[in-house]
Amino acid sequence: EIVLTQSPATLSLSPGQRATLSCRASQSLSTHLAWYQQKPGQAPRLLLYDASNRAPGIPARFSGSGSGTDFTLTISGLEPEDFAVYFCQQRGSWPSYTFGPGTKVEIK
Amino acid sequence: QVQVQQWGAGLLKPSETLSLTCAVTGGTFSDFFLAWIRQSPGQGLEWIGEFDNSDTANYLPSLKSRVSITVDKSKRHFSLSLTSVTAADTAMYYCAALRFFFDPSRHRFSIYEDYWGQGTLVTVSS
Repeated sequence: EIVLTQSPATLSLSPGQRATLSCRASQSLSTHLAWYQQKPGQAPRLLLYDASNRAPGIPARFSGSGSGTDFTLTISGLEPEDFAVYFCQQRGSWPSYTFGPGTKVEIK
Repeated sequence: QVQVQQWGAGLLKPSETLSLTCAVTGGTFSDFFLAWIRQSPGQGLEWIGEFDNSDTANYLPSLKSRVSITVDKSKRHFSLSLTSVTAADTAMYYCAALRFFFDPSRHRFSIYEDYWGQGTLVTVSS
C-alpha cells in the first residue's frame, strides 16, 4: 500500500500570504495525485487532479506541481475562505486510493 | 447541475449491516465513477471502494470481505453495504460521483470533477 505523508501538519498564515503544502509518497506515483480541500462540516472538494490540473471552478491561486514521490500545493494569496484542511490522495495504485493525513491551514 | 443525495441508517449495533444509498441527479450517469469514502471522528479520509465504468467494483483490501457496492442504473442510485459492523466502523460516510475522462496518452482514466453527498454519520454502539 502506498503511504502518503503531508507536511506541515498545521500551517499558520495570514490572509494574503502564500501557502506551500507538501505531500510525499512512499512509492512513485508519476503524476497520479489529487488535492482536496475540506472545510468543517463539509465534504471534501477536489481542487487539483493529476498533480497540477485545476478542477472546474477552482481559482487560479491554487496550483500544484511535482511528480514521482514529491508534490506541492501552492495557494498564491490566501483568501479567508481558503482556511481549511487539505488532503492529498494517490490514484496511482489500486486497490487502495489512499489519502494523506492532511494539512490544516489556519489563520495566524 | 449535478447533485448527490445520500440516506441510510445512522445508528447500528455491533454485528449489524450498514446500508447507505446515494442518488445522482443531473448529468449523464455513465460519465461517473461511483465511490464511497469514510472519515472517522477527527481523523483522516479512507477510500472504501469504487464502481467504475466497466461495471467493476474495487474495494479497500481490509474491508473486502465485508463490503459491497451495488448500482441501479435505472434509478441512478448506488449503494454501500458493510456487514458485521463494529465500533471501529463508526465514521462519517460519504458517497461521491466522480466524473472521469480517458487520457489516451497515458492509457488511463483521470478524475477531473467530483460531486459528494452530504455525508451520513454512522455510529456503531451496543
